Amino acid sequence: NAGVTQTPKFQVLKTGQSMTLQCAQDMNHEYMSWYRQDPGMGLRLIHYSVGAGITDQGEVPNGYNVSRSTTEDFPLRLLSAAPSQTSVYFCASSHIPIRDSYEQYFGPGTRLTVT
Amino acid sequence: AQSVTQLGSHVSVSEGALVLLRCNYSSSVPPYLFWYVQYPNQGLQLLLKYTSAATLVKGINGFEAEFKKSETSFHLTKPSAHMSDAAEYFCAVVRDSNYQLIWGAGTKLIIKP
Repeated sequence: NAGVTQTPKFQVLKTGQSMTLQCAQDMNHEYMSWYRQDPGMGLRLIHYSVGAGITDQGEVPNGYNVSRSTTEDFPLRLLSAAPSQTSVYFCASSHIPIRDSYEQYFGPGTRLTVT
Repeated sequence: AQSVTQLGSHVSVSEGALVLLRCNYSSSVPPYLFWYVQYPNQGLQLLLKYTSAATLVKGINGFEAEFKKSETSFHLTKPSAHMSDAAEYFCAVVRDSNYQLIWGAGTKLIIKP
C-alpha cells in the first residue's frame, strides 16, 4: 500500500494564480481531510469528506474548494492564491471517525509559497 | 468548548534524559486523546491514543502517556531520550460534536548530545 500520497511536494505561486493540490489514498478510507500547518498554530482543518460526493467545511475553508468524485481522490483547489495561503498542506484519511478507534493517516505534505 | 494546550513550544533534553511533554485539555465529556509525532519534512503519525480503556497508555518507540482526569492532563513521557526522538509532537482531542480532531500547537523536542 502506498498509503496517502500528495503531489506536488513543493510549489511556488504568484498572487492570484490558481492550482490544485492532489491527494490520493489506497486504503479504502471513507473519510478524507485537508489541513494546513502554520508555525505555532498546530493543524487547522480546511475541508473534509465522509465519502464520495460528500464534502463539508472545516474551520478555515475560505479561498479553498474541494470535491470528492471517487473514494480514493480528494483534490484541494486554491481559487486565487494569496500570500496568507503560504503554508504546509497535509491530506489525511481514515475510516469514518469512531471515537474509540480513530486514527488518521497523513500524507507527506505540500509546501506552498505564494509570492 | 473543547481545547488542547501544549506547554512549551520547544523542549530541550540531553540524550539519555527523561522526556516530558505536557498536554492539558478541556472537555465537558470524557475525552479521547491522541499524541502524534512529526519527523522533519514528513507527515504526522500516531504515537499513542487514550480511549478510556486504561489511564496509562503505551505507544511506539518507548513513549507512554498517562491520563489524569483530576488534572485534565495527558502528558507524554519517555524514560531515556534518543537522538532519533527529535521531532515535533502534537496532542489532540476528539471534538465531541463531530468527531473532528482539535489540535494543540505542537512541541518541538530537541535532543542534545
